[in-house]
Amino acid sequence: EAQVTQNPRYLITVTGKKLTVTCSQNMNHEYMSWYRQDPGLGLRQIYYSMNVEVTDKGDVPEGYKVSRKEKRNFPLILESPSPNQTSLYFCASSLYPGRFYGYTFGSGTRLTVV
Amino acid sequence: SQQGEEDPQALSIQEGENATMNCSYKTSINNLQWYRQNSGRGLVHLILIRSNEREKHSGRLRVTLDTSKKSSSLLITASRAADTASYFCATERYTGTASKLTFGTGTRLQVTL
Repeated sequence: EAQVTQNPRYLITVTGKKLTVTCSQNMNHEYMSWYRQDPGLGLRQIYYSMNVEVTDKGDVPEGYKVSRKEKRNFPLILESPSPNQTSLYFCASSLYPGRFYGYTFGSGTRLTVV
Repeated sequence: SQQGEEDPQALSIQEGENATMNCSYKTSINNLQWYRQNSGRGLVHLILIRSNEREKHSGRLRVTLDTSKKSSSLLITASRAADTASYFCATERYTGTASKLTFGTGTRLQVTL
């Protein structure tokens, strides 16, 4: 089944403890990105990757890092999580952005930082 | 920055009625997409309309795009209880070296029996 897989689905952590949220897609998509969803703010882009060679910041990159060492994986890294990073996170991918293809989203990771 | 703004924020209708949601945006786009999200779950792509298209249909969905007014509408005909969800418009801007999909804050649709 074609899909974007995120892990974990739920995560509670303490301030300052490094964590990684994994994202993997099996559709050979070039483009991948991360979003966070907060009440009243909709979805905001954190980072995106056009392909394995190009990664860039989105609208809210502060406090996050990403890595695109291979096409299928795009992990999101929080080096020192803070309570304001408590949110619902989504990974998404697209075959070729800007053309005729929509985006496929993962099921989400609900992160709580205490 | 928010690109798409949806209207209304919430909509409650009875099964069998039509539901119309509107979206406005601010800058030039390559395409506009609509997504559905069931409570707390991932977003599901519904339909994409390119900037040079004015109307598109998919099953019970009809999308219109007016680039002169920077607005779009999503019509769901003959709604069902299973259509209860949040609906988001998203605009995509592609420059060749970068692509950005920007979401609005969504419309919560409640379909009652």
